[in-house]
Amino acid sequence: RKEVEQDPGPFNVPEGATVAFNCTYSNSASQSFFWYRQDCRKEPKLLMSVYSSGNEDGRFTAQLNRASQYISLLIRDSKLSDSATYLCVVVNSGGYQKVTFGTGTKLQVIP
Amino acid sequence: DTEVTQTPKHLVMGMTNKKSLKCEQHMGHRAMYWYKQKAKKPPELMFVYSYEKLSINESVPSRFSPECPNSSLLNLHLHALQPEDSALYLCASSQNQNTGPNTEAFFGQGTRLTVV
Repeated sequence: RKEVEQDPGPFNVPEGATVAFNCTYSNSASQSFFWYRQDCRKEPKLLMSVYSSGNEDGRFTAQLNRASQYISLLIRDSKLSDSATYLCVVVNSGGYQKVTFGTGTKLQVIP
Repeated sequence: DTEVTQTPKHLVMGMTNKKSLKCEQHMGHRAMYWYKQKAKKPPELMFVYSYEKLSINESVPSRFSPECPNSSLLNLHLHALQPEDSALYLCASSQNQNTGPNTEAFFGQGTRLTVV
């Protein structure tokens, strides 16, 4: 089983739709969680951190469920510019920080 | 300054060449990473340096040789690469483990490497 897994998609959604991605992780001792966005042929960029209590940033809401070992990302009112690959990232600390990426979920927002 | 700078942005090299990729950050981060990313795949961890010491080598072939000369610089020395090594090589940095959770990693723009 991979350390961090995501549905690869692609998710094709119309503009204005709400879309949700899930990501599961295998290491119960994982400490930090993030969603990164990667545009084609560009480097990954931080979209948002994921806090234990859940957090929201505009149209984006992230949730963490430690008991079930998954995190989620909800995008409301999708825009064309949201089209990208969304990478779930899990950080484990134990003498060093190991940053592990999920397999990524591709989102295509359609006009 | 929240930048991780990688040079060069593009590199074409022959299988007998020796080249180096460079990465620099001035955020005081003490963990630095090399990732390899093939098309349509997530970044794959290659090496982790923590406090300038190699912490993780993810069974990377010896034709890739990392070096961390100081806390701001990370190099990746390349020698006798194969065409299948062509990929985007990403450098990242983060604060080290003593700074607590929710510490993000910052990525450079990457070096797009083509081995011919």
